[in-house]
Amino acid sequence: GAGVSQSPSNKVTEKGKDVELRCDPISGHTALYWYRQSLGQGLEFLIYFQGNSAPDKSGLPSDRFSAERTGGSVSTLTIQRTQQEDSAVYLCASSFWAAQETQYFGPGTRLLVL
Amino acid sequence: DQQVKQNSPSLSVQEGRISILNCDYTNSMFDYFLWYKKYPAEGPTFLISISSIKDKNEDGRFTVFLNKSAKHLSLHIVPSQPGDSAVYFCAASGNNFNKFYFGSGTKLNVKP
Repeated sequence: GAGVSQSPSNKVTEKGKDVELRCDPISGHTALYWYRQSLGQGLEFLIYFQGNSAPDKSGLPSDRFSAERTGGSVSTLTIQRTQQEDSAVYLCASSFWAAQETQYFGPGTRLLVL
Repeated sequence: DQQVKQNSPSLSVQEGRISILNCDYTNSMFDYFLWYKKYPAEGPTFLISISSIKDKNEDGRFTVFLNKSAKHLSLHIVPSQPGDSAVYFCAASGNNFNKFYFGSGTKLNVKP
């Protein structure tokens, strides 16, 4: 079956612009995560959705970052007024239910803020 | 403050030999540990996991060891194969499982 997909695969934007990243989780997976990986760094947790429950936003680095998940499926991560330090690979993962299940990662969106 | 650390950014091993990848953590409340493998331009893929009630978990050529008193886990790959060349991330979570902490990764190069 189809894995986790993310779009766009690459995004170049100018400082100050807003960007929107999309994640399509595996069908039937209720848990969805966003991470980002900056150059030379590990994966940094951003936000976690479980079904239709309110998300755990504790990892969002600033109020310029927001995420939503419509209908318990597709998720979008929005970064407003992008800064150069936002440049990173943004990874989405999903799992069937509780987070102890294996997380399946998408290929990521490579964001470059000029 | 990194709660999961992989202090070796890279490791080079000869094909057929053992690869040992190490990971240290600081939070004694972590209950669940995983290893992921990542190839360039792809997302990480799950490799093997271990819960805190165990000290060893084996799956084929891959074995994860957990030393809770030392807050240390390791991944052993025996025998190493060139296709194992990738970046390996360890990750940890508490028992609420809503947040995973990842290390910075170790790049493994298995030489033919």
